[in-house]
Amino acid sequence: QKEVEQNSGPLSVPEGAIASLNCTYSDRGSQSFFWYRQYSGKSPELIMSIYSNGDKEDGRFTAQLNKASQYVSLLIRDSQPSDSATYLCAVRTGFQKLVFGTGTRLLVSP
Amino acid sequence: GAVVSQHPSWVICKSGTSVKIECRSLDFQATTMFWYRQFPKQSLMLMATSNEGSKATYEQGVEKDKFLINHASLTLSTLTVTSAHPEDSSFYICSARQGPSNQPQHFGDGTRLSIL
Repeated sequence: QKEVEQNSGPLSVPEGAIASLNCTYSDRGSQSFFWYRQYSGKSPELIMSIYSNGDKEDGRFTAQLNKASQYVSLLIRDSQPSDSATYLCAVRTGFQKLVFGTGTRLLVSP
Repeated sequence: GAVVSQHPSWVICKSGTSVKIECRSLDFQATTMFWYRQFPKQSLMLMATSNEGSKATYEQGVEKDKFLINHASLTLSTLTVTSAHPEDSSFYICSARQGPSNQPQHFGDGTRLSIL
């Protein structure tokens, strides 16, 4: 089992829709969770961090964490074509190591 | 805030040469810096973790004699790929973190290395 799993996609949504990106992790000792956005040929850019169960909102982005289910998600409201990128879920495991998922490619069509 | 600068952004060189990549935190002191490698359509793979003034900790399978890391100050870490070969061609990305491990890492723009 991979430490951090994401569906590779692509996830295709029309402009203005809500994009839902999901991530599961295996280490129950994980305490810190991050979402990064990576455009093709570029390095990752931090979007959100979340540390406790529940929702955390920042503009059009909402991160959701459920530690009991070992599940973290990212919702993007009012999706724009400029949101088209690969979204990486990163989890700080109980061993204090940041582990990245393989990423979900999001395509927002105008 | 939290800007990380990486230089150069693109390197093309002949097989057998050594290449140095610099990573600087511009507006914060990076207690820890990380070096990643990313192959096409794959996720980031951690190569090593470095703390200022101490030896880097390499991940399993990463040759420390081939990938030399120096973290001489709180704002600068360097990665030197020694005697580079075509299989070393990849996208190398550094990141930096200020403070404890629960804080996010901030990434540089990456260096695309092509060995001919």
